[in-house]
Amino acid sequence: GQNIDQPTEMTATEGAIVQINCTYQTSGFNGLFWYQQHAGEAPTFLSYNVLDGLEEKGRFSSFLSRSKGYSYLLLKELQMKDSASYLCAVSAAGNTGKLIFGQGTTLQVKP
Amino acid sequence: DVKVTQSSRYLVKRTGEKVFLECVQDMDHENMFWYRQDPGLGLRLIYFSYDVKMKEKGDIPEGYSVSREKKERFSLILESASTNQTSMYLCASRRGHEQFFGPGTRLTVL
Repeated sequence: GQNIDQPTEMTATEGAIVQINCTYQTSGFNGLFWYQQHAGEAPTFLSYNVLDGLEEKGRFSSFLSRSKGYSYLLLKELQMKDSASYLCAVSAAGNTGKLIFGQGTTLQVKP
Repeated sequence: DVKVTQSSRYLVKRTGEKVFLECVQDMDHENMFWYRQDPGLGLRLIYFSYDVKMKEKGDIPEGYSVSREKKERFSLILESASTNQTSMYLCASRRGHEQFFGPGTRLTVL
């Protein structure tokens, strides 16, 4: 079957670093995505990994290990506005763009 | 800027009603998607379309149908709404590997 696991909730302090993990088991793999979703809003694209390694984009980095079926999203210098849900999603094989989402991790940043 | 719009932000319907949720994108994308989002379950794919008049079932198509008569518009249809279809419905369109989401429609079925 297809399964994507991530923690339900996390709490961190403003200015700190937080790592949100995601493990996946899917039939086929065409890339892993991270989306950010603020309460009541649409998800917005953060990152895409298709090869092993770290992709850095400002305060956000995403890592992928295909052999381990594992990814993480790293948020540095946390700000209050980073309080949101973070969605891990895997693209199934083929060119349909179909995504399988995890349940999302709600991150609360405290002062 | 890619823009994906959905016809309503909030909708209240009665059990048994036929419900239409409309989604429009302005970037000539071929692939469009309908998801529902429920607490603890994440986003689940209902249907997707990879071209005009082409559609494929997602993971939870039961109770839903779709229509794609024009490239920019992808409609989700609830033939006979039921209370378990109360949810947030999100439409997306795809460019390259990135999906762009609409603002969502929160549907309540009474």
